[in-house]
Amino acid sequence: SAVISQKPSRDICQRGTSLTIQCQVDSQVTMMFWYRQQPGQSLTLIATANQGSEATYESGFVIDKFPISRPNLTFSTLTVSNMSPEDSSIYLCSVAKNTEAFFGQGTRLTVV
Amino acid sequence: QQPVQSPQAVILREGEDAVINCSSSKALYSVHWYRQKHGEAPVFLMILLKGGEQKGHEKISASFNEKKQQSSLYLTASQLSYSGTYFCGTDGSSNTGKLIFGQGTTLQVKP
Repeated sequence: SAVISQKPSRDICQRGTSLTIQCQVDSQVTMMFWYRQQPGQSLTLIATANQGSEATYESGFVIDKFPISRPNLTFSTLTVSNMSPEDSSIYLCSVAKNTEAFFGQGTRLTVV
Repeated sequence: QQPVQSPQAVILREGEDAVINCSSSKALYSVHWYRQKHGEAPVFLMILLKGGEQKGHEKISASFNEKKQQSSLYLTASQLSYSGTYFCGTDGSSNTGKLIFGQGTTLQVKP
C-alpha cells in the first residue's frame, strides 16, 4: 500500500494569488497524478508528474496555470496560479502501487 | 474519454441489492471502483484487470466484460455504511495507475 500526506488540507485564498499544494508519499513511486474535483463533480485528471522530466498535462490544463514539480520519487507539488473562484475545488494527488491507485486526503481550496 | 456510469443515483433500503454499471468507448486494461463519502477522499474498493484477475471486497463484487468494455459493481445486502458516491476509474493503457473517472453514482441506503 501507499500512505500519502497532502498539505494543506484546506485553504481560503484571495483571487489573483497562488497556492502550492504538497504531496508526500511514504515510498518511492514512478508516477504521481494530480486530480481536481469540482463541487459535486467527478475527479478530473490534471497531469502526471514524472521524476526527472516535465509533467504531462491533460487536455484543458496548462503548465502556466498548474505548474508541477517532482524533485524526487516521493514528493510532488502542484501550484494553482492566478486563482479565480472557478478554481475552488478539491485537489487530490494519487499514486499507483501494485495495480491499486491510492489518494491523498485532498486539499479543499476556496477562492474568494 | 470519460466512462459512463448508470444509474446516476440509487436509493435502497438496508439489505437490498444494487448494481452500478460502468461503460467505456475505449478498450480497457483495468477498471477500478471507488467509494467516496462526503468531504472525504475516494476509498479503493475493487480492481478488475484484463485477463480476469480481480481484487475484491467482502459483500461487494464486480464483473468486467472486456469485449463490451463494461464493468458492473454488485452491492449485496446493502448496509447503511454503503452510502456514498461510487466512481469507476478506467485505465486504458498498461496499468500505469492513470485513471479516467466516470461521473459517479450516488447511493443512499436507508434504514
